Amino acid sequence: DTEVTQTPKHLVMGMTNKKSLKCEQHMGHRAMYWYKQKAKKPPELMFVYSYEKLSINESVPSRFSPECPNSSLLNLHLHALQPEDSALYLCASSQDMGTGAYEQYFGPGTRLTVT
Amino acid sequence: GENVEQHPSTLSVQEGDSAVIKCTYSDSASNYFPWYKQELGKGPQLIIDIRSNVGEKKDQRIAVTLNKTAKHFSLHITETQPEDSAVYFCAVLFGNEKLTFGTGTRLTIIP
Repeated sequence: DTEVTQTPKHLVMGMTNKKSLKCEQHMGHRAMYWYKQKAKKPPELMFVYSYEKLSINESVPSRFSPECPNSSLLNLHLHALQPEDSALYLCASSQDMGTGAYEQYFGPGTRLTVT
Repeated sequence: GENVEQHPSTLSVQEGDSAVIKCTYSDSASNYFPWYKQELGKGPQLIIDIRSNVGEKKDQRIAVTLNKTAKHFSLHITETQPEDSAVYFCAVLFGNEKLTFGTGTRLTIIP
């Protein structure tokens, strides 16, 4: 089973709201990722967690705050977003990262609209 | 920085014919090259990948070829079917950590 689940599927929020996106995997993977995908564009890496520690932050604005409570869960906390942050937010996981080049498996994404 | 170019951006083929999508990359140290299929409203699905110690890999109607010297790799889909219609992304793993995607190819299979 290579399933990554994400909730909610859709989210509409105002610029003053605080919301969270959730991602879960039960494959025993130790690396988890957040990507942002705008319409008709490829996914762009935002954050990488390895063994529950933040490993990569691709200079993402602080209004996006990731959290990895345990090895199966990954959250993305959203606060004071801008309309241009509207996009599909994808979570992915892999067995590990670094030497070895492990396959990344993606969830279905959360479609976020900021009004 | 990391650069992955993908061509063509759109491709229409008659059902039953073959489709080929090509990607080039910049970092000669890269050693992992996956291909993803993304259907409307869904996340990317890993369909095939290749590592630098192999020149070709095949899985039923899908194959990937890699030319490390020229720094390009290609996706080949044979006997195309309507369900192959989707957006396809190549990707390259840079520095063993960061997956960078190509710009995508919208493939349409004409019945």
